[in-house]
Amino acid sequence: AQKITQTQPGMFVQEKEAVTLDCTYDTSDQSYGLFWYKQPSSGEMIFLIYQGSYDEQNATEGRYSLNFQKARKSANLVISASQLGDSAMYFCAMREAGEGNKLVFGAGTILRVKS
Amino acid sequence: DAGVIQSPRHEVTEMGQEVTLRCKPISGHNSLFWYRQTMMRGLELLIYFNNNVPIDDSGMPEDRFSAKMPNASFSTLKIQPSEPRDSAVYFCASSLDRGAEAFFGQGTRLTVV
Repeated sequence: AQKITQTQPGMFVQEKEAVTLDCTYDTSDQSYGLFWYKQPSSGEMIFLIYQGSYDEQNATEGRYSLNFQKARKSANLVISASQLGDSAMYFCAMREAGEGNKLVFGAGTILRVKS
Repeated sequence: DAGVIQSPRHEVTEMGQEVTLRCKPISGHNSLFWYRQTMMRGLELLIYFNNNVPIDDSGMPEDRFSAKMPNASFSTLKIQPSEPRDSAVYFCASSLDRGAEAFFGQGTRLTVV
C-alpha cells in the first residue's frame, strides 16, 4: 500500500493567488513526521516545511503552511500569494518511528503559476 | 556549511561497467539516505543508514547494487555491472537525527548506454 498519496499530478494557479496541494498518508504509528519538498526544474530538492504528529498547531514557514488534519490523515500544503518562482514539482514525505524513521516520498504534484 | 556533496554530478558509462557514486553528508548528521529518481518510478528510497549502519536496504533493486558507509563522513553507492535501465538521477540526503528533515545533495545524473 502507498504510504504517501498525492492525487494531483498537476495544478495551475494564477500569480498572487493561494493554492493547496493535497497529501494523504497511511500509518499506524503514533509518532511520525510529515515533510514537504520543492524540486524546481534545475533538479535540486529543497526542504519547505515540517509537521510532527504530536504538534497541535499547523506548521507555517513564510508563505507556506501545512493544513494538518490528523484524523483524516491529510497534510496539505498551502502556498499563499503564489509567485512565478513557485512553479516546480512538490513532494510530500513521511518518517515513521516504527519504520526506523526512513523518509519515503509521494509521487509529487507539478505546480505551474500563470502570470 | 557546504551541504551534502555528491560526486560526480554527471556520469556516462557503457553497459557492463562498474559505477561508483559518492556522497559526503553534512557534518554531524547521523542519518544518510540514497534515492533514485526516474520519470516512471518517481523518488525511490534505495537504502538508509543511521550512525553508519544500514537500517533498511529493502529498496535496493537487485544484487548489482551495493552501498557502504565506512565512516560518518562518506558513503558510496556502487552498481556492478551497470545496465541502461539504471539510468536515473541518484540523490544522497542526510539528516541530523532520526526524525528531522533531510537535506539533499545536488544529485548524480547517471546515463548507461
